[in-house]
Amino acid sequence: EPEVTQTPSHQVTQMGQEVILRCVPISNHLYFYWYRQILGQKVEFLVSFYNNEISEKSEIFDDQFSVERPDGSNFTLKIRSTKLEDSAMYFCASRTKGTDTQYFGPGTRLTVL
Amino acid sequence: GESVGLHLPTLSVQEGDNSIINCAYSNSASDYFIWYKQESGKGPQFIIDIRSNMDKRQGQRVTVLLNKTVKHLSLQIAATQPGDSAVYFCAENAGGTYKYIFGTGTRLKVLA
Repeated sequence: EPEVTQTPSHQVTQMGQEVILRCVPISNHLYFYWYRQILGQKVEFLVSFYNNEISEKSEIFDDQFSVERPDGSNFTLKIRSTKLEDSAMYFCASRTKGTDTQYFGPGTRLTVL
Repeated sequence: GESVGLHLPTLSVQEGDNSIINCAYSNSASDYFIWYKQESGKGPQFIIDIRSNMDKRQGQRVTVLLNKTVKHLSLQIAATQPGDSAVYFCAENAGGTYKYIFGTGTRLKVLA
């Protein structure tokens, strides 16, 4: 069964450094999402992406964040200058056209020191 | 606002019993609802979904009930098994938006 995959599974970085989190959505999916989950808290929406542009973003998704689909398979989330409070699990999700069901990847745990 | 380190409600059930997990959703305009299961260290895993034009939907061992009058969603798991132990989240999607809004989550513990 096709799955969303994410790399790395765990990323440790110093405050102020740039990180890129990578996702490979399910191959025939056209809508892509990033969510995050701070330890012990709810899953929160960050951004949705369709047709090579951002469809919707939350207040969390400020100028420090960006997304890109650099090729036909990868979908990335970049944080330009990480802060301590960016430490969280970051989940990528995707869905196909004509359905509402989003399928989630296993997540990347980001730890900012 | 929420406090850091949200304490999840916990439901403990005996193996073989039925489980009912409840969720109150926030937006009366939401028209699609979904239940996810999240095991420790893993991403949310799709269980079952329901649209707002239905009030009940059944899957394998799971049933979702939707009460739009009181904005309430429930997940019923029949004959609960140890492998069902996880955190269960409901999520809602309002038509015209792309995002899911997730609920707080309930931890299900299955007792042998």
